[in-house]
Amino acid sequence: DIQMTQSPSSLSASVGDRITITCRASQSIGNYLHWYQQTPGKAPKLLIYSASTLESGVPSRFSGSGSGTDFTLTITSLQPEDFATYYCQQSYSTPVTFGPGTKVDIK
Amino acid sequence: EVQLLESGGGLVQPGGSLRLSCAASGVTFSSYAMSWVRQAPGKGLEWVSTISDSGDTTYYADSVKGRFTISRDNSNNTLYLQMNSLRAEDTAVFYCAKEDDLFDSWGQGTLVTVSS
Repeated sequence: DIQMTQSPSSLSASVGDRITITCRASQSIGNYLHWYQQTPGKAPKLLIYSASTLESGVPSRFSGSGSGTDFTLTITSLQPEDFATYYCQQSYSTPVTFGPGTKVDIK
Repeated sequence: EVQLLESGGGLVQPGGSLRLSCAASGVTFSSYAMSWVRQAPGKGLEWVSTISDSGDTTYYADSVKGRFTISRDNSNNTLYLQMNSLRAEDTAVFYCAKEDDLFDSWGQGTLVTVSS
């Protein structure tokens, strides 16, 4: 199985900050990498697919990059509704696997 | 707008069984693979199972293989997960999700608690 890691596991930030979350795969996965946002008590929401394509309706302050084994999710100008947990997920091979998550909370 | 509504969760004793359902609307259900993803309390996301659009092909995580069975009824736009021989470590919120490689629509989840 492909193992996914994320760093940091948590971070504290302020409204308006720019943050970057890193996701690493245990082997090359091309661009088969997707990002989700989950707020407490809610289902995950797809933000970015294929490493860098913004899902419809997702604000442009979210962006993704990377290929192979290293990927990043960047949020420019953090908004109050962005405080959440973010997960990466690979779909290069079955079983699809998720990263452990990065919790973004308010400083 | 795609809507997925899970039901069937609850409290069950270890070794027991439960069947989850997921009713889909706003989508041509029979055109898409469907999946179950679970989340143990305070933990991350774990893929559980996927079924092809026609229902001919199924996939399972090793952790549930031989105990869980995924199925679908395309005439009623409903996805199922039959869970047998449940263990304490199966305690989780179970989400149904559209697609099989990336999950672009999710239900609200149903909580399964395995405890005596």
